[in-house]
Amino acid sequence: GDSVTQMEGPVTLSEEAFLTINCTYTATGYPSLFWYVQYPGEGLQLLLKATKADDKGSNKGFEATYRKETTSFHLEKGSVQVSDSAVYFCALNNAGNNRKLIWGLGTSLAVNP
Amino acid sequence: NAGVTQTPKFRILKIGQSMTLQCTQDMNHNYMYWYRQDPGMGLKLIYYSVGAGITDKGEVPNGYNVSRSTTEDFPLRLELAAPSQTSVYFCASSYHFGTLDNEQFFGPGTRLTVL
Repeated sequence: GDSVTQMEGPVTLSEEAFLTINCTYTATGYPSLFWYVQYPGEGLQLLLKATKADDKGSNKGFEATYRKETTSFHLEKGSVQVSDSAVYFCALNNAGNNRKLIWGLGTSLAVNP
Repeated sequence: NAGVTQTPKFRILKIGQSMTLQCTQDMNHNYMYWYRQDPGMGLKLIYYSVGAGITDKGEVPNGYNVSRSTTEDFPLRLELAAPSQTSVYFCASSYHFGTLDNEQFFGPGTRLTVL
């Protein structure tokens, strides 16, 4: 079945550092891919998404490119801030899953000033 | 527009007690979901609903029940609470029409401890 694998955390960075959180997937067909973010004490919220190969999703300085050849959707940000400290979840939605999202385990990010 | 609301925010239960976690959305979404989140384990789908009167099991439905009598409400019932049900519970909703890129909107969560 479909699955999502994220790099394990926690990830600890200094402010203004470059961020990459790896996400790879296994799926048949043409899934949509998502990154959600969970700030401390809150529910998840959509950060960005991509619906087809080579699409780039972007929001709040974060970017991710849907790479079908490497089945990846890595999250990047050029300069992180303390306010980016959160847990990041990669997820996919595929036609065969009856609209249910398949989730990665989440990657915790801590940004120090 | 309040989005997805959940009550209560926190609850402590004794083993064997029952309770209902409430979830309401005001976005007229047809799909609703219940997840549990355990540390380091990501999100696990408990139950979901594709519309009023229709519910289906997710990955971890044992020990839980749901109902969907209206579009807005999707309560989760715990019968005979067990320590293994200690978790944070999230309700989510989305509007599905055709495409696969519809966003799920999450509530703030209910932190449940069973002692």
